[in-house]
Amino acid sequence: RKEVEQDPGPFNVPEGATVAFNCTYSNSASQSFFWYRQDCRKEPKLLMSVYSSGNEDGRFTAQLNRASQYISLLIRDSKLSDSATYLCVVTHNDMRFGAGTRLTVKP
Amino acid sequence: EPEVTQTPSHQVTQMGQEVILRCVPISNHLYFYWYRQILGQKVEFLVSFYNNEISEKSEIFDDQFSVERPDGSNFTLKIRSTKLEDSAMYFCASSEDRIPEAFFGQGTRLTVV
Repeated sequence: RKEVEQDPGPFNVPEGATVAFNCTYSNSASQSFFWYRQDCRKEPKLLMSVYSSGNEDGRFTAQLNRASQYISLLIRDSKLSDSATYLCVVTHNDMRFGAGTRLTVKP
Repeated sequence: EPEVTQTPSHQVTQMGQEVILRCVPISNHLYFYWYRQILGQKVEFLVSFYNNEISEKSEIFDDQFSVERPDGSNFTLKIRSTKLEDSAMYFCASSEDRIPEAFFGQGTRLTVV
């Protein structure tokens, strides 16, 4: 089982759609969880941290289920500018990245 | 907004040569990292550095690699005897505390020919 596994994608959605990404991780001792976004040939940029209680930042909602070792990201009312690759990141002694899920939002 | 800066943005080197990739972390950050991303693949952890020593390293970070903080601002990654498969984007990152949110530099694209 991969350390961090994400939906392979790609996701192609129209503007205004709601899209959800899933991520599972194998190390039950993992401590911190994040979603990063990465634009083509650019550096990863922190989107949001993920907490067991769930957290929301505008149109973005992240959820963590430690029992199931599962993380999710929900994007509501998607914009063209949301087009990017979304990276699930899990930390224990270091940060481990998922392979990413590519999202394309179309007009 | 403070940022992590990396130089050069693109480095082309011949196989077998040594390269040094440079990074200036955010000034009040204490933890420093190097990651690499081979084109089309995922971001891979190489090494973390704290208090002037390596704190964690991955299986990728073998004797070919070394890191150094030669002064109060720079953090370098040295790759000795480069191979074709070392061609990748190398990202430096830093964080204020261990593990939480890390901020990435724009990367150095290394091309080994």
